[in-house]
Amino acid sequence: GDSVTQMEGPVTLSEEAFLTINCTYTATGYPSLFWYVQYPGEGLQLLLKATKADDKGSNKGFEATYRKETTSFHLEKGSVQVSDSAVYFCALGGATNKLIFGTGTLLAVQP
Amino acid sequence: KAGVTQTPRYLIKTRGQQVTLSCSPISGHRSVSWYQQTPGQGLQFLFEYFSETQRNKGNFPGRFSGRQFSNSRSEMNVSTLELGDSALYLCASSLGRAGQNEKLFFGSGTQLSVL
Repeated sequence: GDSVTQMEGPVTLSEEAFLTINCTYTATGYPSLFWYVQYPGEGLQLLLKATKADDKGSNKGFEATYRKETTSFHLEKGSVQVSDSAVYFCALGGATNKLIFGTGTLLAVQP
Repeated sequence: KAGVTQTPRYLIKTRGQQVTLSCSPISGHRSVSWYQQTPGQGLQFLFEYFSETQRNKGNFPGRFSGRQFSNSRSEMNVSTLELGDSALYLCASSLGRAGQNEKLFFGSGTQLSVL
């Protein structure tokens, strides 16, 4: 069945460092891919999405490119801030009409 | 526009009891999905309701059930609680059926502790 695998955390970075969180997927057909973010004590919020191969989603300085050849959707940001500290979830929306989430990656950014 | 509202925010129950969680979606949204979030398993899909009908179900036992009312508000019920049911239960609403291109809007969740 469809599944999402993302790198385990926690990821600890200093402010202004470069961020990469890896995400790969398994799916039949042509799924849409998402990154959601969960700040402490809150629900998840959509960060960005891509609906077809080679699409790049971007928001708040974060980017991810839908790579069909490597079945990946890695999240990147050039310069992280303390306020980016949160849990990041990669998710897949496919033919099953439900979002399938990865296990989440905790990002801690230190000043 | 008000967001997704989940009540209560925290619940403490004992094994064997039952519990009902409530979710009010964003006005105009017709789909409500429920997820269980635990540190070990991440987010696991429970079910989705659309227009008062369950449209999709995850791999959870029959002790987990839900319903949706005509105003799109949804309730989730867990009977005969087990210690392993301790989790954050998240509700998400969307305009149309949750799926490929729908953006989900999440509530802050109900933290259930089973003692």
